[in-house]
Amino acid sequence: GDSVTQMEGPVTLSEEAFLTINCTYTATGYPSLFWYVQYPGEGLQLLLKATKADDKGSNKGFEATYRKETTSFHLEKGSVQVSDSAVYFCALSGTNSGYALNFGKGTSLLVTP
Amino acid sequence: DADVTQTPRNRITKTGKRIMLECSQTKGHDRMYWYRQDPGLGLRLIYYSFDVKDINKGEISDGYSVSRQAQAKFSLSLESAIPNQTALYFCATSVAGGGTEAFFGQGTRLTVV
Repeated sequence: GDSVTQMEGPVTLSEEAFLTINCTYTATGYPSLFWYVQYPGEGLQLLLKATKADDKGSNKGFEATYRKETTSFHLEKGSVQVSDSAVYFCALSGTNSGYALNFGKGTSLLVTP
Repeated sequence: DADVTQTPRNRITKTGKRIMLECSQTKGHDRMYWYRQDPGLGLRLIYYSFDVKDINKGEISDGYSVSRQAQAKFSLSLESAIPNQTALYFCATSVAGGGTEAFFGQGTRLTVV
C-alpha cells in the first residue's frame, strides 16, 4: 500500500540556518504530495503541495519539488525563524482510501534564537 | 468561527464507557475524515466518508464507529473506550478528487483512564 517516510526528529536549528526535512514515498500511480504544519496546540494546516512530477510547491519561504525518479518530496527553507518551530508532516494523496491523506510520522522542528 | 469545529476539545473518560466525538463543517465539502494522532506515529486514518450514504473504513477502524448525520456533520464513537484509544483526534474535510487540500479541525484530546 501507499506509505510515506520522513526523517525523524527532533531537529534543532539556530535562527537563519538552512532547513531540509527529507520525505520519500511509496505509491502506485501518480499521487499528489503535501507538506502540512502543526503549530503547538493547533490542528494541521497546508504548507505547500505538488500534484505532478517536477512540480515545485512553495509557501512562506518553504519549497519542495516532486521528484518521481527518486520518489521524494524534501522540504527546504533557506533561513528559518523562531516562528517556524512546529511539527511538519509529509503526506500523499493517492487512489487508495479515496484520496484520503496518508501521513508520515512527522518531524518536530525547534528553532532557537 | 472555525470552518471545521470539533467538540469536545478535551475529554477524560473511563474504560468501558461509550463516547462520541463530534465534527461539523461550514465549508460545504462532501468528504469528511477522522484521524488519530499518536506521538511518533503521525496521523492515521480511522474512517472516511464521501457523502452521507458512503462511509468507508480506514487503516485503524477497529473499536470505532461513525455516523454521517448530514453533509456538514460527521461523528466518531468509541463504543467501549480502552486506554490505548487515548490520543488526539482530528476531523478533516475536503472536496472530491485527488490533489485537493484537506482542512482540519482543532482536534479533540481524549484520555481514557
